[in-house]
Amino acid sequence: DTGVSQNPRHKITKRGQNVTFRCDPISEHNRLYWYRQTLGQGPEFLTYFQNEAQLEKSRLLSDRFSAERPKGSFSTLEIQRTEQGDSAMYLCASSPLGGYGYTFGSGTRLTVV
Amino acid sequence: AQSVTQLDSQVPVFEEAPVELRCNYSSSVSVYLFWYVQYPNQGLQLLLKYLSGSTLVESINGFEAEFNKSQTSFHLRKPSVHISDTAEYFCAVRLQGGSEKLVFGKGTKLTVNP
Repeated sequence: DTGVSQNPRHKITKRGQNVTFRCDPISEHNRLYWYRQTLGQGPEFLTYFQNEAQLEKSRLLSDRFSAERPKGSFSTLEIQRTEQGDSAMYLCASSPLGGYGYTFGSGTRLTVV
Repeated sequence: AQSVTQLDSQVPVFEEAPVELRCNYSSSVSVYLFWYVQYPNQGLQLLLKYLSGSTLVESINGFEAEFNKSQTSFHLRKPSVHISDTAEYFCAVRLQGGSEKLVFGKGTKLTVNP
């Protein structure tokens, strides 16, 4: 068990480019969550999956954001046409079905220049 | 909708002093409560949680938190802090029987000075 793995750790991109992040949860965890954390703020919920089904999406998740978990294992979060306001730490977490605490990954820090 | 207020954005203390990090929440329904700790350049780690039962919960590294329903609070305390406790601490809530999402406070940066 290597915990929740996120790649890349850092991403610098130019405004208008598309970016994709990957999250590999703990293997036996059914639930996977994406959060965004900006400087000086707590993490904000974006979306979560139970297996491959996306069960909840935040209004923060604009139409430029899309997340997938195609086989119920790893997940990807894509941001299209990035804006400077998208600069943040993107956190992934997972939990087992019926679990109450998440295990977080170390995050992907996105900088849009 | 539920919300979390962490009243202090920064708390500086000296080593071996006691500390209390305050957390208040707002929710129209019952919630589960959590404290997470984030060390520099790392992800969040679960410190302790209140689900039900005894209102006083403890972590393995000496922190404790007490759920107070009447005051809608879940303050985190430690009687004697170490330099290694320097980190950011986040309080979070989750609805009982509802959405799976956690709602976090803005965090409290604890700095322990020698």
